Amino acid sequence: GPKVLQIPSHQIIDMGQMVTLNCDPVSNHLYFYWYKQILGQQMEFLVNFYNGKVMEKSKLFKDQFSVERPDGSYFTLKIQPTALEDSAVYFCASSLGDRGPGNQAPLFGEGTRLSVL
Amino acid sequence: QQKVQQSPESLTVSEGAMASLNCTFSDGTSNNFRWYRQHSAKGLEVLVSIFSDGEKEEGRFTAHLNRANLHVSLHIREPQPSDSAVYLCAVSIMNYNQGKLIFGQGTKLSIKP
Repeated sequence: GPKVLQIPSHQIIDMGQMVTLNCDPVSNHLYFYWYKQILGQQMEFLVNFYNGKVMEKSKLFKDQFSVERPDGSYFTLKIQPTALEDSAVYFCASSLGDRGPGNQAPLFGEGTRLSVL
Repeated sequence: QQKVQQSPESLTVSEGAMASLNCTFSDGTSNNFRWYRQHSAKGLEVLVSIFSDGEKEEGRFTAHLNRANLHVSLHIREPQPSDSAVYLCAVSIMNYNQGKLIFGQGTKLSIKP
């Protein structure tokens, strides 16, 4: 079936550096999401993106975070600069629609584990 | 702010016995409920979605929703060792940004052969 792919699966960087996490969503999906899961804690919504714009972001989506999907390529999450508390697994998800009954559940990738040293 | 709580934290069930997982939510306007599972170091796999009171079956997985009691459950019929995983309850609002899911903390299910 259709899959959301995330690259890389693991990234290690030094605090203060910039990092870009890449997501290849399902080809005909229109809505894109990032979630953050700190080890042992609940998965939490960060942001969702549609038609080239951020639709909604949570308080976890700090000023150092940005998202974009230039020309239908990867959907990316950029963190600049990174902080120790950014260490987590980041999950990308995509869906065809965002409302109404019968809408399929968002499909999730396998996550990128980010380790900030 | 929506709170989603799952119980139990962990559950061990013998192969073939029914496994039952619970999820409570705090926002009574919620009307979009998904059960996902997560195998170790893997992505989330959606199991069943339910939008109105009653039950919804997808293969061996059945969800029960009682919105008045702010409760949704998942029942797994004839579980197998390959069903061992973390099960996540996810809640959202149907007609507003359905993909903004509020997750519970998960139930770790282990199936004994």
